Amino acid sequence: DGGITQSPKYLFRKEGQNVTLSCEQNLNHDAMYWYRQDPGQGLRLIYYSQIVNDFQKGDIAEGYSVSREKKESFPLTVTSAQKNPTAFYLCASSNPGQAYEQYFGPGTRLTVT
Amino acid sequence: GQSLEQPSEVTAVEGAIVQINCTYQTSGFYGLSWYQQHDGGAPTFLSYNALDGLEETGRFSSFLSRSDSYGYLLLQELQMKDSASYFCAVRETGGFKTIFGAGTRLFVKA
Repeated sequence: DGGITQSPKYLFRKEGQNVTLSCEQNLNHDAMYWYRQDPGQGLRLIYYSQIVNDFQKGDIAEGYSVSREKKESFPLTVTSAQKNPTAFYLCASSNPGQAYEQYFGPGTRLTVT
Repeated sequence: GQSLEQPSEVTAVEGAIVQINCTYQTSGFYGLSWYQQHDGGAPTFLSYNALDGLEETGRFSSFLSRSDSYGYLLLQELQMKDSASYFCAVRETGGFKTIFGAGTRLFVKA
């Protein structure tokens, strides 16, 4: 079955530590995205990538970093510079010409204490 | 900048029809999408309007009026499982950025 996987589903870290969230897709999509969702709010774009070895900052990129070395993978690192990292993180992918229809992974709920 | 506004909550009775509105302010966009998200789950794509008018997909329909900067999602024959959050979203012209509204939480009562 094609889809997007994110791991782990729940992640706990101490303040000051960097943490990397995994996102893998086997949909053969060129475009991938990372969103952050806070309770009762919409999705805010952190980073997106249209193609391998290329990525662009979204609206809230500060304190985050990404890489896109493979088409299937788009890991997100939450660095210690991110002031409020506790949130629900969602990865998505789409065909380049169909960004209006994004497929989402199950999400990773990160808690930093 | 770009912004989308939706009601925060809507409550309806099982079997009824409910309309969730979305108004937007954008400098340019390709079209309006709708997503459904159950608590703790991933958003799933419901529909997309590139052109003005009504798009129907089973019990769900979506409408867009570019001249009014307005769209809506219409859910018919409501079922308990339709209780979820619904997000409208626009993709900016010239790029891949998608802007999401804050979401409308739909409660379906028996």
